[in-house]
Amino acid sequence: EIVLTQSPGTLSLSPGERATLSCRASQSVSSSYLAWYQQKPGQAPRLLIYAASTRATGIPDRFSGSWSGTDFTLTISRLEPEDFAVYYCQQYGGSPPGHTFGQGTKLEIK
Amino acid sequence: EVQLVESGGGLVQPGGSLRLSCAASGFTFSNYWMAWVRQAPGKGLEWVANMKHDESERYYVDSVNGRFTISRDNAKNSLYLQMNSLRVEDTAVYYCARVRPWPTPDSWGQGTLVTVSS
Repeated sequence: EIVLTQSPGTLSLSPGERATLSCRASQSVSSSYLAWYQQKPGQAPRLLIYAASTRATGIPDRFSGSWSGTDFTLTISRLEPEDFAVYYCQQYGGSPPGHTFGQGTKLEIK
Repeated sequence: EVQLVESGGGLVQPGGSLRLSCAASGFTFSNYWMAWVRQAPGKGLEWVANMKHDESERYYVDSVNGRFTISRDNAKNSLYLQMNSLRVEDTAVYYCARVRPWPTPDSWGQGTLVTVSS
């Protein structure tokens, strides 16, 4: 099973700052099969990025995704008040193939 | 507008059964893989099961394999999750999700809470 490790566990920033969230895979993951989600309290997850770097419909361009090898990054260029939430990465792959989520990064207001 | 509405959650004793339903609208249900994802209270997300649009392929996470069954009725635009031999650790909010593009859930319901407790 591929394990996704997100860091940091909690990130404390102020509106207007840049946020960099990391997701490291325990083995090779196809970039086509890596996604990022945002979840606010009491709400369902919301798809932000799929295929590592493609923004989902309606997602502002301050959200971007990138990767290098087994390290995937979600960047929020300039934080808005509504961006403070928990973020999850998700992948499909491995042998036998399966779906896994990272444990989440909580982005909180400093 | 894509809508997914889950129902069927509730309180059940360990060893009991429950059937979750997900009513889909706003898209051609029969064209898409669908999935169930759960979230234990205060915890992260866990993929539970998914099913191909034509019912030819199913996948289950190891922890539910043999106890849960995913199914669908394309004529009724509905997805189901039959949960048997429930355990305390199955307590979670269960989300129904459309998978698009593979393997990404792009639309989610609001979830239904399943509580397994004596």
